[in-house]
Amino acid sequence: NAGVTQTPKFQVLKTGQSMTLQCAQDMNHEYMSWYRQDPGMGLRLIHYSVGAGITDQGEVPNGYNVSRSTTEDFPLRLLSAAPSQTSVYFCASRRDAGRLGEQYFGPGTRLTVT
Amino acid sequence: AQKITQTQPGMFVQEKEAVTLDCTYDTSDPSYGLFWYKQPSSGEMIFLIYQGSYDQQNATEGRYSLNFQKARKSANLVISASQLGDSAMYFCAMREGRATNKLIFGTGTLLAVQP
Repeated sequence: NAGVTQTPKFQVLKTGQSMTLQCAQDMNHEYMSWYRQDPGMGLRLIHYSVGAGITDQGEVPNGYNVSRSTTEDFPLRLLSAAPSQTSVYFCASRRDAGRLGEQYFGPGTRLTVT
Repeated sequence: AQKITQTQPGMFVQEKEAVTLDCTYDTSDPSYGLFWYKQPSSGEMIFLIYQGSYDQQNATEGRYSLNFQKARKSANLVISASQLGDSAMYFCAMREGRATNKLIFGTGTLLAVQP
């Protein structure tokens, strides 16, 4: 049981490049989300999903796309990277039932856009 | 409108003493959950404790307890017997409703435990 995994751990992009941040969980969690954390701030929600085939926008969705074709995977795509997207990105998941509180976070991806 | 407020950017505490980290929230949804996470310098987000809006008793997890005052909309984290390893950033967060994974985070409190 690996929990929530994210790849890559670090990435440097040039302005205008595109890439996909990978997120996977092996806990059969229905709910998954993507957050970004900027210096001196808490995490802000980018996109989230309540199950395979269902996604919705969070607080800061512009410039990002997501899809949820399987329960396990929730990739985040940067369409055309901008310096403002330099941040640490966290993926999270939780179950629908059972202990409602606990959410599991991945280790994060540190992205720099030059 | 900011829905989670952490008014203490930084706190100091002596080792073995207790410390309270403040968190106030704002919501009109009667069903919500409140969380505390710890983020050490290594960067990962570590879940500490959860309080549901309908929970009758304050949540406790080992040395962590959540002082939930619903009428005042506060959810303060109490760490008893502080340890050097408790030095980290602490975030309060809220989830409105049940069928969602949307968390709203505060700006965090940096705790430094002194020997």
